[in-house]
Amino acid sequence: DAGVTQSPTHLIKTRGQQVTLRCSPKSGHDTVSWYQQALGQGPQFIFQYYEEEERQRGNFPDRFSGHQFPNYSSELNVNALLLGDSALYLCASSLGTSNNEQFFGPGTRLTVL
Amino acid sequence: AQSVAQPEDQVNVAEGNPLTVKCTYSVSGNPYLFWYVQYPNRGLQFLLKYITGDNLVKGSYGFEAEFNKSQTSFHLKKPSALVSDSALYFCAVRGSYSSASKIIFGSGTRLSIRP
Repeated sequence: DAGVTQSPTHLIKTRGQQVTLRCSPKSGHDTVSWYQQALGQGPQFIFQYYEEEERQRGNFPDRFSGHQFPNYSSELNVNALLLGDSALYLCASSLGTSNNEQFFGPGTRLTVL
Repeated sequence: AQSVAQPEDQVNVAEGNPLTVKCTYSVSGNPYLFWYVQYPNRGLQFLLKYITGDNLVKGSYGFEAEFNKSQTSFHLKKPSALVSDSALYFCAVRGSYSSASKIIFGSGTRLSIRP
């Protein structure tokens, strides 16, 4: 039973470019949440997807957008990259949007030069 | 507004001694509380949660946490530390007042267990 998987593991982009990160949830999970973890900080909630719709959103600009597919996998898109977008991007899956624990993937390390 | 604080950036404990990692929170409504652990270059792993019921919650790897409503705290504990417990620990909270409330993570506490 595969856990949460994310791709790619590492990514290097330059300012102004666009990036797409991908996440496959744990088997049986239907909800995907995305977090940004800057170096030395805790994860910051970006948004959550359930039933292919964005259900909750954190304090991130519209440059951050996402999508959930019918198979529950998800993408995070970031446009017009800034140096400050450099971080570890974590995907977490859970069953429903209640308080079931989230299972995290290993993350995608994004470096913006 | 929701918030969670982990007042210690680092906790150092000798192997075999008890350990405590502190967490305090502020939410609207009843809190839903979580502890996660993060090993180097890895995602977060769930340790335990408090939703309702017994104030002492037991979790993975021998960890437990005590919910204290009057002190708005949810400290993580373990009776006897292992070197392999060395990692970064995060407390997280979500309020029950609104179904739209989000999970907020603390800034993390680095736990170092010396042999």
